[in-house]
Amino acid sequence: GAGVSQSPRYKVAKRGQDVALRCDPISGHVSLFWYQQALGQGPEFLTYFQNEAQLDKSGLPSDRFFAERPEGSVSTLTIQRTQQEDSAVYLCVSSAGQGVEKLFFGSGTQLSVL
Amino acid sequence: DAKTTQPPSMDCAEGRAANLPCNHSTISGNEYVYWYRQIHSQGPQYIIHGLKNNETNEMASLIITEDRKSSTLILPHATLRDTAVYYCIVRGISNTGNQFYFGTGTSLTVIP
Repeated sequence: GAGVSQSPRYKVAKRGQDVALRCDPISGHVSLFWYQQALGQGPEFLTYFQNEAQLDKSGLPSDRFFAERPEGSVSTLTIQRTQQEDSAVYLCVSSAGQGVEKLFFGSGTQLSVL
Repeated sequence: DAKTTQPPSMDCAEGRAANLPCNHSTISGNEYVYWYRQIHSQGPQYIIHGLKNNETNEMASLIITEDRKSSTLILPHATLRDTAVYYCIVRGISNTGNQFYFGTGTSLTVIP
Protein backbone atom coordinates (compact mmCIF):
# COMPACT_ATOMS: atom_id res chain seq x y z
CA GLY A 1 0.00 0.00 0.00
CA ALA A 2 0.92 3.64 -0.23
CA GLY A 3 1.24 4.22 3.49
CA VAL A 4 1.40 2.57 6.88
CA SER A 5 -1.86 0.79 7.56
CA GLN A 6 -3.15 -0.05 11.02
CA SER A 7 -6.14 -2.09 12.07
CA PRO A 8 -8.51 -1.88 13.71
CA ARG A 9 -8.93 1.90 13.68
CA TYR A 10 -10.89 1.76 16.95
CA LYS A 11 -11.02 -0.96 19.58
CA VAL A 12 -13.13 -1.12 22.71
CA ALA A 13 -12.12 -3.80 25.19
CA LYS A 14 -13.39 -4.86 28.57
CA ARG A 15 -10.83 -4.76 31.33
CA GLY A 16 -8.98 -8.06 31.41
CA GLN A 17 -9.43 -8.83 27.71
CA ASP A 18 -6.49 -9.44 25.39
CA VAL A 19 -6.22 -7.24 22.29
CA ALA A 20 -4.10 -7.55 19.16
CA LEU A 21 -3.25 -4.51 17.08
CA ARG A 22 -1.95 -4.94 13.55
CA CYS A 23 0.44 -2.85 11.51
CA ASP A 24 1.21 -3.15 7.81
CA PRO A 25 4.28 -0.98 7.17
CA ILE A 26 5.27 0.44 3.81
CA SER A 27 6.55 -2.42 1.66
CA GLY A 28 10.29 -2.90 1.97
CA HIS A 29 10.72 -0.72 5.02
CA VAL A 30 13.37 -2.14 7.33
CA SER A 31 12.57 -0.28 10.52
CA LEU A 32 9.30 -0.50 12.43
CA PHE A 33 8.40 1.24 15.67
CA TRP A 34 5.40 1.17 17.97
CA TYR A 35 4.49 4.32 19.91
CA GLN A 36 1.80 4.95 22.52
CA GLN A 37 0.03 8.32 22.65
CA ALA A 38 -2.11 9.23 25.62
CA LEU A 39 -4.71 11.99 25.28
CA GLY A 40 -3.04 15.40 25.07
CA GLN A 41 0.48 13.97 25.14
CA GLY A 42 3.16 13.38 22.56
CA PRO A 43 3.84 9.87 21.29
CA GLU A 44 6.02 7.72 23.55
CA PHE A 45 8.30 4.96 22.32
CA LEU A 46 7.36 1.35 23.00
CA THR A 47 9.52 -0.87 20.83
CA TYR A 48 11.66 -1.04 17.68
CA PHE A 49 12.22 -3.73 15.04
CA GLN A 50 14.88 -3.93 12.40
CA ASN A 51 13.44 -6.45 9.93
CA GLU A 52 12.27 -9.34 12.16
CA ALA A 53 14.64 -8.58 15.01
CA GLN A 54 13.27 -6.71 18.01
CA LEU A 55 16.27 -4.58 18.90
CA ASP A 56 14.76 -2.35 21.54
CA LYS A 57 11.77 -3.02 23.78
CA SER A 58 12.74 -0.70 26.56
CA GLY A 59 9.55 1.34 26.26
CA LEU A 60 7.09 -1.49 26.82
CA PRO A 61 5.35 -0.56 30.10
CA SER A 62 4.88 -4.08 31.43
CA ASP A 63 5.17 -7.75 30.52
CA ARG A 64 1.52 -7.61 29.42
CA PHE A 65 2.75 -5.88 26.25
CA PHE A 66 4.21 -8.07 23.55
CA ALA A 67 5.20 -7.21 19.98
CA GLU A 68 6.34 -9.35 17.09
CA ARG A 69 7.28 -9.03 13.44
CA PRO A 70 7.99 -12.65 12.46
CA GLU A 71 8.65 -12.18 8.74
CA GLY A 72 10.04 -8.67 8.85
CA SER A 73 6.94 -7.02 7.45
CA VAL A 74 3.58 -7.07 9.30
CA SER A 75 3.79 -6.48 13.02
CA THR A 76 1.37 -7.22 15.83
CA LEU A 77 1.26 -5.50 19.21
CA THR A 78 -0.58 -7.62 21.75
CA ILE A 79 -1.75 -6.33 25.10
CA GLN A 80 -2.77 -9.04 27.53
CA ARG A 81 -5.23 -8.57 30.41
CA THR A 82 -5.93 -4.96 29.41
CA GLN A 83 -6.21 -2.30 32.09
CA GLN A 84 -7.88 1.12 31.94
CA GLU A 85 -4.49 2.83 31.88
CA ASP A 86 -3.78 1.09 28.57
CA SER A 87 -6.36 3.33 26.90
CA ALA A 88 -4.45 5.35 24.31
CA VAL A 89 -3.74 5.64 20.60
CA TYR A 90 -1.16 3.12 19.42
CA LEU A 91 0.87 4.37 16.48
CA CYS A 92 2.89 2.22 14.11
CA VAL A 93 5.82 3.87 12.35
CA SER A 94 8.07 2.61 9.59
CA SER A 95 11.16 3.88 7.83
CA ALA A 96 13.13 2.65 4.87
CA GLY A 97 16.47 2.04 6.53
CA GLN A 98 18.06 2.29 9.92
CA GLY A 99 19.70 5.65 9.68
CA VAL A 100 18.63 9.24 10.00
CA GLU A 101 15.62 9.62 7.74
CA LYS A 102 11.90 10.24 7.55
CA LEU A 103 9.47 8.26 9.63
CA PHE A 104 6.08 7.34 8.20
CA PHE A 105 3.25 7.08 10.70
CA GLY A 106 0.02 5.16 10.51
CA SER A 107 -3.20 6.79 11.68
CA GLY A 108 -3.15 4.67 14.80
CA THR A 109 -5.47 2.36 16.68
CA GLN A 110 -7.50 4.08 19.38
CA LEU A 111 -7.90 1.63 22.25
CA SER A 112 -10.50 2.23 24.94
CA VAL A 113 -10.52 -0.12 27.92
CA LEU A 114 -13.75 -0.05 29.92
CA ASP B 1 18.98 11.42 22.38
CA ALA B 2 18.69 15.04 23.45
CA LYS B 3 15.40 16.31 24.76
CA THR B 4 13.63 19.37 23.39
CA THR B 5 11.65 22.25 24.88
CA GLN B 6 8.82 23.96 23.02
CA PRO B 7 6.15 26.47 24.02
CA PRO B 8 2.86 24.65 24.64
CA SER B 9 0.77 26.82 22.34
CA MET B 10 0.91 29.64 19.78
CA ASP B 11 -1.50 31.59 17.61
CA CYS B 12 -0.84 32.93 14.13
CA ALA B 13 -2.97 35.02 11.77
CA GLU B 14 -3.85 33.37 8.48
CA GLY B 15 -1.46 34.44 5.72
CA ARG B 16 1.26 35.50 8.12
CA ALA B 17 4.46 33.60 8.87
CA ALA B 18 4.35 31.18 11.79
CA ASN B 19 7.66 30.93 13.67
CA LEU B 20 7.83 27.95 16.02
CA PRO B 21 10.84 27.85 18.36
CA CYS B 22 12.56 24.82 19.86
CA ASN B 23 15.38 24.56 22.38
CA HIS B 24 17.69 21.53 22.29
CA SER B 25 20.62 22.71 24.38
CA THR B 26 22.05 19.22 24.95
CA ILE B 27 22.15 18.22 21.29
CA SER B 28 25.28 16.36 20.25
CA GLY B 29 27.25 16.71 17.05
CA ASN B 30 25.73 13.80 15.17
CA GLU B 31 22.10 14.48 16.09
CA TYR B 32 19.69 15.86 13.54
CA VAL B 33 16.75 18.16 14.26
CA TYR B 34 13.42 16.94 12.91
CA TRP B 35 10.02 18.58 12.79
CA TYR B 36 6.75 16.67 12.56
CA ARG B 37 3.19 17.85 12.89
CA GLN B 38 0.04 16.06 13.97
CA ILE B 39 -3.39 17.07 12.83
CA HIS B 40 -6.23 15.83 15.00
CA SER B 41 -6.93 12.09 14.69
CA GLN B 42 -4.04 11.49 12.32
CA GLY B 43 -0.52 10.15 12.77
CA PRO B 44 2.36 12.65 12.81
CA GLN B 45 3.51 13.89 9.41
CA TYR B 46 7.11 14.68 8.47
CA ILE B 47 7.86 18.34 7.72
CA ILE B 48 11.60 18.87 7.51
CA HIS B 49 14.93 17.98 9.10
CA GLY B 50 18.47 19.36 9.25
CA LEU B 51 21.86 18.97 10.87
CA LYS B 52 23.49 22.39 10.98
CA ASN B 53 22.63 24.24 7.79
CA ASN B 54 19.33 25.96 7.25
CA GLU B 55 16.92 23.91 5.18
CA THR B 56 13.90 24.74 3.04
CA ASN B 57 11.33 22.58 1.31
CA GLU B 58 7.86 23.03 -0.10
CA MET B 59 6.30 22.96 3.36
CA ALA B 60 8.60 25.02 5.57
CA SER B 61 12.01 26.41 6.41
CA LEU B 62 14.22 25.28 9.28
CA ILE B 63 16.65 27.73 10.84
CA ILE B 64 19.26 26.19 13.17
CA THR B 65 21.43 28.48 15.29
CA GLU B 66 25.18 28.33 14.83
CA ASP B 67 25.69 26.62 18.21
CA ARG B 68 22.83 24.23 17.30
CA LYS B 69 21.21 24.67 20.68
CA SER B 70 17.98 25.95 19.23
CA SER B 71 16.02 26.02 16.00
CA THR B 72 12.96 27.66 14.47
CA LEU B 73 10.44 26.17 12.10
CA ILE B 74 8.97 28.75 9.75
CA LEU B 75 5.69 28.28 7.90
CA PRO B 76 5.90 31.25 5.52
CA HIS B 77 2.21 31.81 4.84
CA ALA B 78 0.12 29.99 7.42
CA THR B 79 -3.27 28.62 6.37
CA LEU B 80 -6.11 27.25 8.47
CA ARG B 81 -4.99 23.75 7.49
CA ASP B 82 -1.69 24.34 9.29
CA THR B 83 -3.52 24.23 12.64
CA ALA B 84 -1.87 21.24 14.33
CA VAL B 85 0.51 20.16 17.07
CA TYR B 86 4.13 20.64 15.96
CA TYR B 87 6.84 18.42 17.42
CA CYS B 88 10.56 19.23 17.43
CA ILE B 89 12.71 16.11 17.83
CA VAL B 90 16.43 15.42 17.83
CA ARG B 91 17.81 12.07 16.81
CA GLY B 92 21.13 10.55 15.92
CA ILE B 93 22.21 7.33 14.33
CA SER B 94 22.71 4.33 16.55
CA ASN B 95 23.11 0.64 15.94
CA THR B 96 19.74 -0.07 17.50
CA GLY B 97 17.86 2.50 15.42
CA ASN B 98 17.01 4.47 18.52
CA GLN B 99 13.92 6.24 19.62
CA PHE B 100 12.48 9.62 18.78
CA TYR B 101 11.51 11.67 21.83
CA PHE B 102 8.48 13.78 20.96
CA GLY B 103 7.76 15.79 24.06
CA THR B 104 4.38 17.53 24.16
CA GLY B 105 4.93 19.82 21.16
CA THR B 106 3.48 23.25 20.31
CA SER B 107 -0.22 23.51 19.50
CA LEU B 108 -0.44 26.04 16.68
CA THR B 109 -3.78 27.68 15.98
CA VAL B 110 -4.10 29.65 12.75
CA ILE B 111 -6.73 32.33 13.15
CA PRO B 112 -8.83 33.55 10.20
